[in-house]
Amino acid sequence: SQTIHQWPATLVQPVGSPLSLECTVEGTSNPNLYWYRQAAGRGLQLLFYSVGIGQISSEVPQNLSASRPQDRQFILSSKKLLLSDSGFYLCAWSQTGEGANVLTFGAGSRLTVL
Amino acid sequence: AQSVAQPEDQVNVAEGNPLTVKCTYSVSGNPYLFWYVQYPNRGLQFLLKYITGDNLVKGSYGFEAEFNKSQTSFHLKKPSALVSDSALYFCAVSPENMFSGGYNKLIFGAGTRLAVHP
Repeated sequence: SQTIHQWPATLVQPVGSPLSLECTVEGTSNPNLYWYRQAAGRGLQLLFYSVGIGQISSEVPQNLSASRPQDRQFILSSKKLLLSDSGFYLCAWSQTGEGANVLTFGAGSRLTVL
Repeated sequence: AQSVAQPEDQVNVAEGNPLTVKCTYSVSGNPYLFWYVQYPNRGLQFLLKYITGDNLVKGSYGFEAEFNKSQTSFHLKKPSALVSDSALYFCAVSPENMFSGGYNKLIFGAGTRLAVHP
């Protein structure tokens, strides 16, 4: 069966410090991978998605970047965090291809920037 | 513009009573429709989806949803609520004709908090 791991679960960082959140998927190959941000315990905003190694698409301009160095690894980064980067970050994967593909989410990483 | 609306920020229901969480959408073409649930400090979990066929879709934990094309709605229902159903529920829609860049674009509603009281 497929599993998705996301870490760290909780992170407190000072403004201006770097960020690295990691996500790995097991039990599948060539998944689509996604990073979402959830602010104030509500709506989801798609930040990045990837359909293959090295292929990253950004949905919104921001202080963050993403990379996919391996097929089942997705990393969210920042060189210098802003206060507004605080939030709950969710990694997800889905099957590739056209259709009603279900997203499977990781447990999330809560980032607090002070 | 393509959108999903969950008109209620919160729904309160007594345990054992039926519950409905509302969702309406505005997309072009035929939609794929989803419901996800989020428990505190956790990721979202898939509940059910509608692709085509029978308008009543059954999903996990006794939930079901009814697709109504004329009203562009996909309301989530459960005949008898449990306290453990208390969570944040998200409706999402993926327009059938919006496959580009290798994935089907998925649009989430803002979420509805369900509170089931003993």
